[in-house]
This record gives sequence, C-alpha cells and structure tokens, in this order.
Amino acid sequence: NAGVMQNPRHLVRRRGQEARLRCSPMKGHSHVYWYRQLPEEGLKFMVYLQKENIIDESGMPKERFSAEFPKEGPSILRIQQVVRGDSAAYFCASSPLGGGGRAKNIQYFGAGTRLSVL
Amino acid sequence: DAKTTQPPSMDCAEGRAANLPCNHSTISGNEYVYWYRQIHSQGPQYIIHGLKNNETNEMASLIITEDRKSSTLILPHATLRDTAVYYCIVRVGSGGGADGLTFGKGTHLIIQP
Repeated sequence: NAGVMQNPRHLVRRRGQEARLRCSPMKGHSHVYWYRQLPEEGLKFMVYLQKENIIDESGMPKERFSAEFPKEGPSILRIQQVVRGDSAAYFCASSPLGGGGRAKNIQYFGAGTRLSVL
Repeated sequence: DAKTTQPPSMDCAEGRAANLPCNHSTISGNEYVYWYRQIHSQGPQYIIHGLKNNETNEMASLIITEDRKSSTLILPHATLRDTAVYYCIVRVGSGGGADGLTFGKGTHLIIQP
C-alpha cells in the first residue's frame, strides 16, 4: 500500500510564475489536507478537502492560492504569481473515509514539495 | 482544540528510554492526545494516540494521567534515528473533528551517541 505521494519533490519558480503541487492520497483515503512550513517555522494548516469539495480553507491565504481535489486524479495546490515569501515546504496528508474506528482521524503525510522562488 | 505545552528541547542517550512530557490542562472529554514527529526535512510521521487509557504500539508508549491534564510519550530504546521534533496535539478524535492539525513548536529530541 503506497503512502501519500507528492510531486514534484523540488520546484523552482521565478517571481510571477505559477506553481502547481500535486498530491495523491493513500489508497482508500478520501480526505486530503495541505500544510505549509516556512523556513525555521512550524507547520501551518492550509486547507482540507474531500473529493470535489473544499471543507475548510481557513488557513489559505486569501489571494493567489487555490486547491482542488477532483473526482479523478490527485489533489492540486496552485499558487499563482509566486513571490519570494511563498518559498517553503508544502506537505500533503490524507486520512481514511469516516465510518468509525481508531484510525479515522490519523493523518498520513507525504514527503513534501520544496518550493523555491527566485 | 486544547492548547499543549512541551519543553523546547531534550537530550537522551542512545539506548535509553526517552520520556517526552506534554501538558494539556484544558483538554475536553472528547479530545484525544496525538503524537507526531518530524525528522529533519521529512514529512510528519504519526506515532500514537489515546483518549484516557495508556497505549502501546511498535513505536512507542503513551501514558496519560488519570485527570488527563498531561501525558508522556515514551520511546523505550532510543536510537540516533529518533532525533526529531516531537509534536503533542490534542483534538477531537474518532466520531468527529476531521479537521486540520494544529502543530505547536514541539520538543526537539536529540539522541546522543
């Protein structure tokens, strides 16, 4: 059972370009979460999605950032017109569909995408 | 989610038990204690969680006090690969609250050879 897959592992963009980060959840998981870790700082929750729905985007910056989790394919975190302050590690996590059991709310993380903005 | 307090750093000798404390005095009755760790430059890794009973798995043991205001994560035989930042997180567990995790500053555990 493959874990959470994120790609690319490293992404370099120039200021003003777009960054697209992809996340494939673990098999059987329908909840996806995105987190950002700025250099020398802690992990911050950004957005929580289920298939085709954004459940909680309270941690997302109001502009330039968007996320989707389509019916088919990976979840995408999109950053438009990147700035140097967007340079960070972006982690995706997934958790199982609800239905009870102790494993319900355990989040399993991918290895992250390190975005560098030049 | 209830607030947690952890020491910023701890040292432990290789082969010894590492005991990481966490205070969560405002924990609610339906909130679980979760532990994650982040080894440098890697994604966070789930370790263990519990509600009120002590828990043990292949990675660690979790001891929760009877009043649930604090807990201790125990790594029984620490190795150099256990050097990481350990996060104690309190949140609603099974039955609801499948929202984002709130990571504090955690405890930077350094295993000394």
